[in-house]
Amino acid sequence: IAGITQAPTSQILAAGRRMTLRCTQDMRHNAMYWYRQDLGLGLRLIHYSNTAGTTGKGEVPDGYSVSRANTDDFPLTLASAVPSQTSVYFCASSDLPHPPVHEQFFGPGTRLTVL
Amino acid sequence: GIQVEQSPPDLILQEGANSTLRCNFSDSVNNLQWFHQNPWGQLINLFYIPSGTKQNGRLSATTVATERYSLLYISSSQTTDSGVYFCAVTGANSKLTFGKGITLSVRP
Repeated sequence: IAGITQAPTSQILAAGRRMTLRCTQDMRHNAMYWYRQDLGLGLRLIHYSNTAGTTGKGEVPDGYSVSRANTDDFPLTLASAVPSQTSVYFCASSDLPHPPVHEQFFGPGTRLTVL
Repeated sequence: GIQVEQSPPDLILQEGANSTLRCNFSDSVNNLQWFHQNPWGQLINLFYIPSGTKQNGRLSATTVATERYSLLYISSSQTTDSGVYFCAVTGANSKLTFGKGITLSVRP
């Protein structure tokens, strides 16, 4: 069982380019999440999806979009990348989206640099 | 939203020493997790512990939900314990909120 996979592992991107970070889980979890991790700020929620077909905004959603066409996949798209989006991006999943919220599991992360 | 504070921010230990990491939170929580982020950046689940006490080998954790804090104990520390330890909680908004982490360095 792979758990959660993310691709690419790392990417250097020119400002203004479009980029999609991929996330796939094989645990049949209902809920999926995208976080960014920045030095001194910890992890912050970008977008989430409680179940296939639904998405919601987290703490820092601007400049990002997501879709949830099926249970397993939750891609994160940067329509026009900017240098402030340089970060490490983590995808996560959990088996229940609502209280009592169950344990979240994290992917290995994608390191993105926008020049 | 809910505030999560971890202390101390940095900790340096000699191999074999014990340590206690603290997580305070500002409101009632439905979920509390401890993670270890290793030097390669991987986030490893340590404990899912909204209340009570759990133990896993040299690690144990206690959450006192009524007093809004959780403690992570590391006994007989090893160099492989180095990294950043995060506490994360879910409050009324059902979203996981992370503390800023505690950086632990264990020296041989």
